[in-house]
Amino acid sequence: DAEITQSPRHKITETGRQVTLACHQTWNHNNMFWYRQDLGHGLRLIHYSYGVQDTNKGEVSDGYSVSRSNTEDLPLTLESAASSQTSVYFCASSDVRNEKLFFGSGTQLSVL
Amino acid sequence: RKEVEQDPGPFNVPEGATVAFNCTYSNSASQSFFWYRQDCRKEPKLLMSVYSSGNEDGRFTAQLNRASQYISLLIRDSKLSDSATYLCVVNTPGTYKYIFGTGTRLKVLA
Repeated sequence: DAEITQSPRHKITETGRQVTLACHQTWNHNNMFWYRQDLGHGLRLIHYSYGVQDTNKGEVSDGYSVSRSNTEDLPLTLESAASSQTSVYFCASSDVRNEKLFFGSGTQLSVL
Repeated sequence: RKEVEQDPGPFNVPEGATVAFNCTYSNSASQSFFWYRQDCRKEPKLLMSVYSSGNEDGRFTAQLNRASQYISLLIRDSKLSDSATYLCVVNTPGTYKYIFGTGTRLKVLA
């Protein structure tokens, strides 16, 4: 069955380190998204991509970057991790036809 | 004003009760609307899309009121397993981006 997977499920890192969270989908969806979820804020969009070589900033993109070299993957990189980036990160993808979002199971990131 | 607003709850209801949530959105040009369900520390999962004419899926009914810019979710005959957070999702017109409400917590009590 098609799916969307994130890795790692949990990550602890130190401030200043570079961290990359992986997202891989086998839906063959063009659209992919990264969200972070924090208490009181709900899901906020970090970056998104509408296809290979396309990337766009969301509402909370500072300190994050993404790349889209193929349809299946959209890795999220924290250039220099900060404690404010401690959060749960969700990757999602959608098809341009039905617009429904499908989420990965999330990555709990702690920056100490 | 937030783009998508929901009452955070919690709504505590007994099993078998009917409960309704509303969600208001600010952009009148929004075209796509969804309800997602999220269990504690899990990923959001699509519950149902919301269509202009209203739609029903078993015990769940979703409605859209464009004039007042809100969508609603009605749950009939609540089950313990319905306990979760319900997220309202609205698209950003002209894009494939989606804005999430902060969610409404529902607790169904035995």
